Amino acid sequence: DAGVTQSPTHLIKTRGQQVTLRCSPKSGHDTVSWYQQALGQGPQFIFQYYEEEERQRGNFPDRFSGHQFPNYSSELNVNALLLGDSALYLCASSLSTWDTEAFFGQGTRLTVV
Amino acid sequence: AQSVAQPEDQVNVAEGNPLTVKCTYSVSGNPYLFWYVQYPNRGLQFLLKYITGDNLVKGSYGFEAEFNKSQTSFHLKKPSALVSDSALYFCAVRDFTTSGTYKYIFGTGTRLKVLA
Repeated sequence: DAGVTQSPTHLIKTRGQQVTLRCSPKSGHDTVSWYQQALGQGPQFIFQYYEEEERQRGNFPDRFSGHQFPNYSSELNVNALLLGDSALYLCASSLSTWDTEAFFGQGTRLTVV
Repeated sequence: AQSVAQPEDQVNVAEGNPLTVKCTYSVSGNPYLFWYVQYPNRGLQFLLKYITGDNLVKGSYGFEAEFNKSQTSFHLKKPSALVSDSALYFCAVRDFTTSGTYKYIFGTGTRLKVLA
């Protein structure tokens, strides 16, 4: 059983460009959340998708947007990239039940130059 | 607002000795607490959780954590450290919304270094 898979693993973009990161959740999981982990920091919640809708959003600007597909996979899009967007982006999948833990992918390391 | 604090940036321990990684929390209502571990260039790996029940929670790789309501703490422990335990450890609390969804709020992380 594959766990959470993210692609690509590494990415280098230029300021002002746009980027799309992808996530396939663990089999059977219907909820996908995205987190940003800046260097030396704990992960910060970006948003969560369930039933193809954004259900909850953290304190991130509208440049950050996402999508969930019918097969539960998800994309994170970031427009007008800033140097400060350089970070490890983590996808987490879970069941929509309150007592289960989330499983994380290995992350996408985004570097903005 | 829910929050967790990890007061130590780094913990050093000799191999074979017991280890403790500290976490304190501030929540309204019942806390749902988690420990995750992160190895270099990897995502987060689940270790254990406290939802309800026994205050001593056992998890993966010989780790355990003790939930202490009076001290609002959830310290991670292991009786005998291994060099392979060296990694970055995150404490997290689950923050629920009124719509029933939730997110994790993570601490800043504690780097554990086990010395041979």
